[in-house]
Amino acid sequence: EIVLTQSPGTLSLSPGERATLSCRASQSVDSSYLAWCQQKPGQAPRLLIYGASSRATGIPDRFSGSGSGTDFTLTISRLEPEDFAVYYCQQYSRSPWTFGQGTKVEIK
Amino acid sequence: EVQLVQSGAEVKKPGESLKISCKASGYTFNTYWIGWVRQMPGKGLEWMGIVYPRDSDTRYSPSFQGQVTFSVVKSINTAYLHWNNLKASDTAMYYCARYEQGLASFDCWGQGTLVTVSS
Repeated sequence: EIVLTQSPGTLSLSPGERATLSCRASQSVDSSYLAWCQQKPGQAPRLLIYGASSRATGIPDRFSGSGSGTDFTLTISRLEPEDFAVYYCQQYSRSPWTFGQGTKVEIK
Repeated sequence: EVQLVQSGAEVKKPGESLKISCKASGYTFNTYWIGWVRQMPGKGLEWMGIVYPRDSDTRYSPSFQGQVTFSVVKSINTAYLHWNNLKASDTAMYYCARYEQGLASFDCWGQGTLVTVSS
Protein backbone atom coordinates (compact mmCIF):
# COMPACT_ATOMS: atom_id res chain seq x y z
CA GLU A 1 0.00 0.00 0.00
CA ILE A 2 1.25 3.48 -0.88
CA VAL A 3 1.29 5.64 2.24
CA LEU A 4 0.89 9.37 1.68
CA THR A 5 2.30 11.59 4.42
CA GLN A 6 1.18 15.21 4.44
CA SER A 7 2.98 18.01 6.20
CA PRO A 8 2.53 20.08 8.13
CA GLY A 9 -0.46 18.76 10.02
CA THR A 10 -1.70 22.29 10.61
CA LEU A 11 -0.71 25.51 8.88
CA SER A 12 -1.62 28.76 10.64
CA LEU A 13 -1.61 31.66 8.20
CA SER A 14 -3.30 35.00 7.60
CA PRO A 15 -5.45 35.90 4.60
CA GLY A 16 -3.25 37.07 1.75
CA GLU A 17 -0.35 34.83 2.73
CA ARG A 18 1.06 31.98 0.68
CA ALA A 19 0.38 28.39 1.74
CA THR A 20 2.65 25.50 0.79
CA LEU A 21 1.40 21.99 1.54
CA SER A 22 3.50 18.87 1.09
CA CYS A 23 2.53 15.30 0.24
CA ARG A 24 5.20 12.61 0.34
CA ALA A 25 4.57 9.09 -0.95
CA SER A 26 6.16 5.90 0.39
CA GLN A 27 6.67 4.72 -3.20
CA SER A 28 6.83 6.53 -6.50
CA VAL A 29 3.43 7.67 -7.79
CA ASP A 30 2.68 8.30 -11.45
CA SER A 31 1.91 12.01 -11.35
CA SER A 32 -1.06 11.45 -13.65
CA TYR A 33 -2.74 9.74 -10.70
CA LEU A 34 -2.07 12.25 -7.91
CA ALA A 35 -4.87 14.59 -6.89
CA TRP A 36 -5.69 17.14 -4.20
CA CYS A 37 -9.07 17.88 -2.68
CA GLN A 38 -10.40 20.43 -0.22
CA GLN A 39 -12.86 19.75 2.57
CA LYS A 40 -14.62 22.42 4.57
CA PRO A 41 -16.39 21.64 7.87
CA GLY A 42 -19.67 19.85 7.33
CA GLN A 43 -19.11 19.53 3.59
CA ALA A 44 -18.08 16.83 1.18
CA PRO A 45 -14.60 16.97 -0.32
CA ARG A 46 -14.13 18.90 -3.56
CA LEU A 47 -11.58 18.12 -6.26
CA LEU A 48 -8.99 20.89 -6.67
CA ILE A 49 -6.08 19.42 -8.61
CA TYR A 50 -5.74 16.28 -10.73
CA GLY A 51 -2.74 14.87 -12.55
CA ALA A 52 -0.56 16.57 -9.91
CA SER A 53 -0.82 19.99 -11.57
CA SER A 54 -4.09 20.47 -13.47
CA ARG A 55 -6.83 22.54 -11.89
CA ALA A 56 -10.31 21.05 -11.83
CA THR A 57 -13.20 22.95 -13.37
CA GLY A 58 -13.97 26.19 -11.58
CA ILE A 59 -10.90 26.17 -9.34
CA PRO A 60 -9.25 29.59 -9.09
CA ASP A 61 -5.73 29.99 -10.40
CA ARG A 62 -4.36 30.84 -6.95
CA PHE A 63 -4.32 27.05 -6.47
CA SER A 64 -1.45 25.21 -8.11
CA GLY A 65 0.04 21.75 -7.84
CA SER A 66 3.47 20.44 -8.66
CA GLY A 67 5.77 17.53 -8.08
CA SER A 68 6.66 14.08 -9.28
CA GLY A 69 7.82 10.71 -8.04
CA THR A 70 7.39 10.77 -4.27
CA ASP A 71 7.14 14.51 -3.55
CA PHE A 72 4.15 16.65 -4.40
CA THR A 73 3.14 20.16 -3.40
CA LEU A 74 -0.07 22.15 -3.32
CA THR A 75 0.42 25.91 -3.26
CA ILE A 76 -2.19 28.55 -2.56
CA SER A 77 -0.63 31.79 -3.71
CA ARG A 78 -2.74 34.21 -1.68
CA LEU A 79 -5.14 32.82 0.88
CA GLU A 80 -8.72 33.98 0.66
CA PRO A 81 -11.08 33.60 3.65
CA GLU A 82 -12.85 30.70 1.93
CA ASP A 83 -9.58 28.75 1.56
CA PHE A 84 -9.31 27.90 5.25
CA ALA A 85 -10.10 24.20 5.20
CA VAL A 86 -8.53 20.74 5.26
CA TYR A 87 -6.62 19.57 2.20
CA TYR A 88 -5.98 15.95 1.24
CA CYS A 89 -3.73 14.45 -1.36
CA GLN A 90 -4.83 11.20 -2.96
CA GLN A 91 -3.17 8.62 -5.20
CA TYR A 92 -5.03 6.52 -7.75
CA SER A 93 -1.91 4.92 -9.16
CA ARG A 94 -2.01 1.62 -7.32
CA SER A 95 -4.68 -0.25 -5.45
CA PRO A 96 -5.59 0.28 -2.72
CA TRP A 97 -6.05 3.92 -3.56
CA THR A 98 -5.01 6.02 -0.59
CA PHE A 99 -5.41 9.46 0.93
CA GLY A 100 -2.98 11.47 2.97
CA GLN A 101 -4.02 12.26 6.52
CA GLY A 102 -4.77 15.87 5.65
CA THR A 103 -3.35 19.34 6.30
CA LYS A 104 -5.55 21.84 8.07
CA VAL A 105 -5.07 25.43 6.96
CA GLU A 106 -6.34 27.65 9.74
CA ILE A 107 -6.58 31.37 10.28
CA LYS A 108 -3.73 32.76 12.34
CA GLU B 1 -25.25 19.07 -13.99
CA VAL B 2 -23.51 16.00 -12.60
CA GLN B 3 -24.92 15.15 -9.17
CA LEU B 4 -24.69 12.37 -6.64
CA VAL B 5 -27.42 12.47 -4.01
CA GLN B 6 -27.08 10.17 -1.03
CA SER B 7 -29.72 8.81 1.31
CA GLY B 8 -30.30 10.33 4.70
CA ALA B 9 -28.68 9.76 8.07
CA GLU B 10 -29.18 6.42 9.78
CA VAL B 11 -29.12 5.31 13.41
CA LYS B 12 -28.75 1.57 13.91
CA LYS B 13 -27.90 -0.94 16.61
CA PRO B 14 -24.89 -3.28 16.54
CA GLY B 15 -25.62 -6.44 14.58
CA GLU B 16 -28.24 -4.81 12.36
CA SER B 17 -28.09 -4.56 8.56
CA LEU B 18 -28.07 -1.39 6.55
CA LYS B 19 -28.04 -0.28 2.95
CA ILE B 20 -27.35 3.34 1.99
CA SER B 21 -27.77 4.73 -1.49
CA CYS B 22 -26.15 7.11 -3.94
CA LYS B 23 -28.30 8.29 -6.85
CA ALA B 24 -26.54 9.69 -9.89
CA SER B 25 -27.86 12.19 -12.39
CA GLY B 26 -26.56 14.39 -15.18
CA TYR B 27 -24.32 11.79 -16.83
CA THR B 28 -24.30 8.23 -18.19
CA PHE B 29 -24.29 6.23 -14.98
CA ASN B 30 -23.10 2.97 -16.56
CA THR B 31 -19.78 4.32 -17.78
CA TYR B 32 -18.18 5.78 -14.67
CA TRP B 33 -16.84 3.95 -11.64
CA ILE B 34 -18.46 4.89 -8.34
CA GLY B 35 -16.28 4.90 -5.26
CA TRP B 36 -17.09 4.81 -1.56
CA VAL B 37 -15.09 6.71 1.06
CA ARG B 38 -15.35 6.54 4.84
CA GLN B 39 -14.66 9.40 7.21
CA MET B 40 -14.77 8.49 10.88
CA PRO B 41 -15.60 11.27 13.34
CA GLY B 42 -12.85 13.89 13.35
CA LYS B 43 -10.65 11.80 11.07
CA GLY B 44 -9.43 11.71 7.48
CA LEU B 45 -10.69 10.06 4.32
CA GLU B 46 -10.39 6.30 3.70
CA TRP B 47 -10.97 4.65 0.33
CA MET B 48 -13.30 1.66 0.66
CA GLY B 49 -13.46 0.56 -2.95
CA ILE B 50 -15.14 1.09 -6.29
CA VAL B 51 -17.88 -0.45 -8.43
CA TYR B 52 -18.45 -0.22 -12.19
CA PRO B 53 -22.18 0.01 -12.85
CA ARG B 54 -22.10 -1.44 -16.37
CA ASP B 55 -21.05 -4.91 -15.21
CA SER B 56 -20.91 -4.56 -11.41
CA ASP B 57 -17.15 -5.16 -11.44
CA THR B 58 -16.09 -4.41 -7.87
CA ARG B 59 -12.76 -3.69 -6.20
CA TYR B 60 -12.54 -3.51 -2.43
CA SER B 61 -9.80 -2.06 -0.29
CA PRO B 62 -8.26 -4.88 1.78
CA SER B 63 -9.33 -2.95 4.88
CA PHE B 64 -12.99 -3.26 3.91
CA GLN B 65 -13.04 -6.58 2.02
CA GLY B 66 -15.64 -8.84 3.63
CA GLN B 67 -16.97 -6.03 5.81
CA VAL B 68 -19.20 -4.28 3.26
CA THR B 69 -20.81 -4.98 -0.10
CA PHE B 70 -21.26 -2.66 -3.07
CA SER B 71 -24.12 -3.03 -5.51
CA VAL B 72 -25.87 -1.04 -8.23
CA VAL B 73 -29.30 -0.87 -9.84
CA LYS B 74 -28.68 0.50 -13.31
CA SER B 75 -32.35 1.13 -14.10
CA ILE B 76 -32.50 3.81 -11.42
CA ASN B 77 -28.89 5.05 -11.64
CA THR B 78 -28.22 4.15 -8.03
CA ALA B 79 -25.28 2.62 -6.19
CA TYR B 80 -25.52 1.05 -2.75
CA LEU B 81 -23.27 0.35 0.19
CA HIS B 82 -24.44 -2.54 2.35
CA TRP B 83 -23.56 -3.89 5.79
CA ASN B 84 -24.81 -7.22 7.17
CA ASN B 85 -23.58 -6.91 10.73
CA LEU B 86 -22.98 -3.36 11.87
CA LYS B 87 -20.49 -2.55 14.58
CA ALA B 88 -20.05 0.55 16.67
CA SER B 89 -16.80 1.13 14.79
CA ASP B 90 -18.82 1.57 11.56
CA THR B 91 -20.04 4.92 12.91
CA ALA B 92 -18.85 7.40 10.31
CA MET B 93 -19.77 9.64 7.41
CA TYR B 94 -19.83 7.74 4.14
CA TYR B 95 -19.36 9.45 0.78
CA CYS B 96 -19.90 8.18 -2.70
CA ALA B 97 -17.89 9.77 -5.48
CA ARG B 98 -17.65 9.47 -9.24
CA TYR B 99 -14.30 8.39 -10.67
CA GLU B 100 -13.52 10.28 -13.88
CA GLN B 101 -10.96 8.21 -15.75
CA GLY B 102 -9.86 11.16 -17.88
CA LEU B 103 -8.90 13.06 -14.74
CA ALA B 104 -7.90 9.92 -12.83
CA SER B 105 -9.64 11.21 -9.73
CA PHE B 106 -12.95 11.55 -7.91
CA ASP B 107 -14.43 14.59 -9.64
CA CYS B 108 -17.88 14.67 -8.07
CA TRP B 109 -18.89 13.73 -4.54
CA GLY B 110 -22.17 12.98 -2.85
CA GLN B 111 -23.14 15.04 0.17
CA GLY B 112 -22.44 12.15 2.53
CA THR B 113 -24.54 9.82 4.68
CA LEU B 114 -23.95 9.78 8.43
CA VAL B 115 -24.24 6.30 9.91
CA THR B 116 -24.42 6.01 13.69
CA VAL B 117 -24.24 2.59 15.29
CA SER B 118 -25.04 2.55 18.97
CA SER B 119 -26.77 0.26 21.42
